[in-house]
Amino acid sequence: GPKVLQIPSHQIIDMGQMVTLNCDPVSNHLYFYWYKQILGQQMEFLVNFYNGKVMEKSKLFKDQFSVERPDGSYFTLKIQPTALEDSAVYFCASSLWTGGSERLFFGHGTKLSVL
Amino acid sequence: GDSVTQTEGLVTLTKGLPVMLNCTYQTTYSPFLFWYVQHLNEAPKLLLKSSTDNKRTEHQGFYATLHKSSSSFHLQKSSVQLSDSALYFCALSLSSGSWQLIFGSGTQLTVMP
Repeated sequence: GPKVLQIPSHQIIDMGQMVTLNCDPVSNHLYFYWYKQILGQQMEFLVNFYNGKVMEKSKLFKDQFSVERPDGSYFTLKIQPTALEDSAVYFCASSLWTGGSERLFFGHGTKLSVL
Repeated sequence: GDSVTQTEGLVTLTKGLPVMLNCTYQTTYSPFLFWYVQHLNEAPKLLLKSSTDNKRTEHQGFYATLHKSSSSFHLQKSSVQLSDSALYFCALSLSSGSWQLIFGSGTQLTVMP
C-alpha cells in the first residue's frame, strides 16, 4: 500500500544545534502532519500543512519549530535550536483529504535524541 | 478538554483467546473514532474507524462498536493470533474543524503461543 518514508530513522544531536527531519509523503496526498511521541506517552499533534501553509498547530509547536515543503519535495520539520525536551520520536503523516473521518498514512518515525 | 483514555498499557494473552482493548473518550463535539495498529519496526496504520453510533465495524477479524452513550470504542477480537502482537492506539477526531487526531496512550498486546 501507500507508504510514507522518513529520513533518518534515528538522529543524535547536541543541544542547541539545528536538526531537520525529512518526510516523503504519499505521492498524491495533499495534507501533511507531524506528531511527537515522547517515550511511554501518546502521540501528540504538532502541526498540519496544506498548500504551502500551516493550517493548524498545537502548543507543542514552539517558535523554534518550522515546517516546509519546497517545490513538492520532502516535507520537513526543522528545529532550531534544539532543546533536551525535544528528544522524542517524530511521526510524519499524510492524507489525501482532510476532515474528521480521513485516514492518515504514517511513516515509521524518526527518533531524535538531543544530548 | 478532548481526550482519549486507554486503561491497559500491557495485555498478554495466549493464542486463540478473545481480547478486548478498552478505549473511552471525552468530547463535546461529534466524534470520529479510530484504531491504529503499529507492529514492531513498522509504521502505525489504520485498523478501523467509525462515527456511527451503535454500529459494529470490522476489519481483519477485529471489530469495534462506537457507543456514544458511554463514550466508548473498545476493540475486540474473538481469537487472537501470534501476528496480532502489536501496539494499538485509539484515536479521536472531532467535527470541530480541527485538523488533529487525539491519541490514547496505546496498549501493547502480546500474544503467546
